[in-house]
Parts: sequence; C-alpha cells; structure tokens
Amino acid sequence: DAGVIQSPRHEVTEMGQEVTLRCKPISGHNSLFWYRQTMMRGLELLIYFNNNVPIDDSGMPEDRFSAKMPNASFSTLKIQPSEPRDSAVYFCASREGQHNSPLHFGNGTRLTVT
Amino acid sequence: DQQVKQNSPSLSVQEGRISILNCDYTNSMFDYFLWYKKYPAEGPTFLISISSIKDKNEDGRFTVFLNKSAKHLSLHIVPSQPGDSAVYFCAASESSSGSRLTFGEGTQLTVNP
Repeated sequence: DAGVIQSPRHEVTEMGQEVTLRCKPISGHNSLFWYRQTMMRGLELLIYFNNNVPIDDSGMPEDRFSAKMPNASFSTLKIQPSEPRDSAVYFCASREGQHNSPLHFGNGTRLTVT
Repeated sequence: DQQVKQNSPSLSVQEGRISILNCDYTNSMFDYFLWYKKYPAEGPTFLISISSIKDKNEDGRFTVFLNKSAKHLSLHIVPSQPGDSAVYFCAASESSSGSRLTFGEGTQLTVNP
C-alpha cells in the first residue's frame, strides 16, 4: 500500500502564477479531501469529493481556488492566480467507507508564493 | 469560529510519565472524535477514535476519554516515550454532515529522555 501520494512535495512560485497540486488517493478509497495547514488557522478543510463528485466546497477560500477529480485515482487543486497569503502546506487525504472511517493523509505539498 | 480547540500549543513531559493532551469542542452535534499524530514533513496519521456513545476507548498506551457534558476530550499516553514527540491533533465530526472533519490547532508534545 503506497498510501496517498501528493506531488510536488515543495513548490515555490511567484505571485500571479498558476499553481497545480496533485493527489493520488489510496486505491479503493471513495472519498478524497483537500486540507490546508497554516500557523494561524491550523488544518482547514477546503473541499471533499465522494465517488469523484464534489460534495462540499464551502472551505474553498476564493474563486482563485478550484479542484477537480476526473477519476477515482487522481485529483488536482489549482490556484490561479496565486498570492503570498496562499503559502501553506496543502494536504490531500482519502478514506474508504463513510463517516467513522479515519482519513489517510499524504505527506503534503509545501507551497511558497513570493 | 473555532469549533474544536486545543488550548495548549505545547506540552513537555519526561519519558515514562503520563502525557495528557486536552481538547474542547463547542458543537453539541459532534458525535465522533479522533486523534491524529503528525511528525515533521509528514501528513497526520490516525491514532485513536471514540464515538459519543462511549466515554473511554483504549488502545495500548493510548486512551481517549470523552466527557460529553463538558464537551471535552483528552488523550492519555502512558508511559510516554521519546518517539511520541509529535504534534497531536484532535478532530471531530457529526453524522448528519457526512464526511466533514473539523480539526483543532494541534499540541506539540515533547517527551524528554
């Protein structure tokens, strides 16, 4: 079991550039989550998908953020245009089953926007 | 509006002693609670959970206690080991909201040899 795989591990970009973060969930898991971790706000849920369908995107901060899950084995989180305040660690997590199953997290992407 | 709060940013204990990490919540609809552990440069990993129908769940050195009337839960680690040094996150969810998991800010535990 390779776990949840995120790429890249680190991303440094200039303000205004487009950033795409990628995630491969654990095979067989039917829910996928994108979280953001900052010093000020801790771990915040941005969006989650169930069976590839976005269920709750109320945590997406602005229209600059978008997420897709074209199939069960891949998801992207895109920021366009990026801003310095988007600097954070972005985690992807997946889960099988429903409510009481624990999330399995990837190792995150550390994004720095200068 | 922080629905799950961990008021202690850090905790330091001696090896072999008990570590007690605390978590408070405000949403009375939360019915499932979890603790995650996070090492630097890694994602959080699931540690232990408890349903609101219970007040205690134990797994080896780790025990979670839930006090619903006080909206408080705690994680006890005994005996503490240096390898337990990590950030511990408390998380909560409610069945009616489906899969949304709300996390606390985390507590950095340092276990000194």
